[in-house]
Amino acid sequence: EAGVAQSPRYKIIEKRQSVAFWCNPISGHATLYWYQQILGQGPKLLIQFQNNGVVDDSQLPKDRFSAERLKGVDSTLKIQPAKLEDSAVYLCASSLVGVGWETSYEQYFGPGTRLTVT
Amino acid sequence: KQEVTQIPAALSVPEGENLVLNCSFTDSAIYNLQWFRQDPGKGLTSLLLIQSSQREQTSGRLNASLDKSSGRSTLYIAASQPGDSATYLCAVRPEGSGTYKYIFGTGTRLKVLA
Repeated sequence: EAGVAQSPRYKIIEKRQSVAFWCNPISGHATLYWYQQILGQGPKLLIQFQNNGVVDDSQLPKDRFSAERLKGVDSTLKIQPAKLEDSAVYLCASSLVGVGWETSYEQYFGPGTRLTVT
Repeated sequence: KQEVTQIPAALSVPEGENLVLNCSFTDSAIYNLQWFRQDPGKGLTSLLLIQSSQREQTSGRLNASLDKSSGRSTLYIAASQPGDSATYLCAVRPEGSGTYKYIFGTGTRLKVLA
């Protein structure tokens, strides 16, 4: 079974530039997550999709970050314009959806995209 | 607000030792807790998932326990090996969130010396 794919793996940009990340989840996984992991910290959820609908984007800085999941499969995360504090690893994950809210399935993570903003 | 803490932040042990990593969370109302491993420059690998109704899960040399009422989980690694060197993260899914949101701890960096 293929894992979660992400590209690019590394990106260096200057502040105020734009950048986009791509994620392809595991086939059949309805739920897709984007996390931001700053060095030395745990991942922080930015946005969560179920199929092509947004379930949670409460921690997404919407003035500069946007994400979409067209057709409920691949997803892109965009930053425009980038700030120095956006330097982090951006992780994409996917999981199956449980039948009930009390049931959860494991999250499977991609290798991440390391963004450096100079 | 749910907060997840992991102690210690870093740990260095000789090969062959049994070790325990700790995870605590402030709100016991969770659906489940998941332990992950993260190697440098790579994504997270799921190790064990414990549902709120379970007390523990085992996989090979790994055993994770959950004491929901006290807000604690431990990851026990038996007979540690240099290949176990990585950062270990725990994450909880809060009840009532209406989503599958996970709250992560900051991790424990483990180094197993040959």
